[in-house]
Amino acid sequence: DGGITQSPKYLFRKEGQNVTLSCEQNLNHDAMYWYRQDPGQGLRLIYYSQIVNDFQKGDIAEGYSVSREKKESFPLTVTSAQKNPTAFYLCASSRTPDEQFFGPGTRLTVL
Amino acid sequence: QKEVEQNSGPLSVPEGAIASLNCTYSDRGSQSFFWYRQYSGKSPELIMFIYSNGDKEDGRFTAQLNKASQYVSLLIRDSQPSDSATYLCAVKRAAGNKLTFGGGTRVLVKP
Repeated sequence: DGGITQSPKYLFRKEGQNVTLSCEQNLNHDAMYWYRQDPGQGLRLIYYSQIVNDFQKGDIAEGYSVSREKKESFPLTVTSAQKNPTAFYLCASSRTPDEQFFGPGTRLTVL
Repeated sequence: QKEVEQNSGPLSVPEGAIASLNCTYSDRGSQSFFWYRQYSGKSPELIMFIYSNGDKEDGRFTAQLNKASQYVSLLIRDSQPSDSATYLCAVKRAAGNKLTFGGGTRVLVKP
């Protein structure tokens, strides 16, 4: 089945820890994105990548890092510099700039 | 002023009625407009998109765009309890891949 997978579904982080969220797609999409969603709010763009080995900061990149070594994979690291990381993290991919398809999300909680 | 604004709701509609959702945006350079549906705890799914002024229909859904007044709306005809969800409006400029999301409108369809 073609689609976008994210893991883990739930993640708990202690203060000062870095954690990495996985995003994989087998849709052969060039572009991939990371969004953050806080309760009752819309999505905010963290990072996006239009092609392998290239990525750009979104609106709220501080405290996050990404890599794009393979077309299928776009992992997001939440570093200890991100002071309020508790949120729902959504990965998306697109073949065209307009139609973005989302993965199931990872819910991150800071203990 | 937020870039994309939506009434957070909840918008309560009886089953079989028309639900009308509105979204206003501030960037006059916006060229593409999207409606996503998000069930509680799930990721957003694209319902439809619209580029040109006027109406676009897809099944029970109609998107309406008025660029002069900078608003886009979504009508859901014959509302069903399964339509109960949060509806997110998103806009995109002509250049680039960045989607800007509103905070979403929660819709409750009562049997």
